[in-house]
Amino acid sequence: QVLLQESGPGLVKPSQTLSLTCTVSGGSISSGSFYWTWIRQPAGKGLEWVGRVHTSGNTNYNPSLKSRVTISLDASKNQFSLNLTSVTAADTAVYYCARTMATAGLTTDCWGQGTLVTVSS
Amino acid sequence: DIQMTQSPSSLSASIGDRVTITCRASQGIGTYLTWYQQKPGKAPDLLIYAASTLQSGVPSRFGGSGSGAEFTLTISSLQPEDVATYYCQQTYNTPGTFGQGTKVEI
Repeated sequence: QVLLQESGPGLVKPSQTLSLTCTVSGGSISSGSFYWTWIRQPAGKGLEWVGRVHTSGNTNYNPSLKSRVTISLDASKNQFSLNLTSVTAADTAVYYCARTMATAGLTTDCWGQGTLVTVSS
Repeated sequence: DIQMTQSPSSLSASIGDRVTITCRASQGIGTYLTWYQQKPGKAPDLLIYAASTLQSGVPSRFGGSGSGAEFTLTISSLQPEDVATYYCQQTYNTPGTFGQGTKVEI
């Protein structure tokens, strides 16, 4: 059973860079069968798709964040990461890392528990 | 971006009731539609993918239907453990937009 665990600072200052890592266990991140995805959720609000990376290096980002977001993959550590630059209070949210099947309708089938990131000085 | 609109935003029903949630896409998405259940303080759980395929381990009282731009999630007999917020998501293209959620209460 694959497990995903987010890690990173819970507090980031405005204008700085938010950096999170997702550690995958119970499966290889190098499998071409999956994308590795970030999704976020502000408190009391709905879900927002941030972006995804494939082991091939292919990435897709939400256009609303595209100029600020980078998602990368480190196969040697079985991890993938999210960097979001120039953050504001609007970026305060619970950030989830997740696995998305490359087939089966591109369904996201497995999620981390989520980590709260607050943007505040 | 494809816009996903869920209705209703919230509902209250009794144990054993049949509950239906609708999700409409701003354009046709085939059957690239996923339903999730989210309980407070938890990550979403996958219920149904490809519009109507039940995820392994999900109770059979959950069902999904639809194609194109209109989809439904049905709970055939509401149980106390079904109290949650339900989200649809289109995976037809990126960004994989979500509906705003439907909160189900008893």
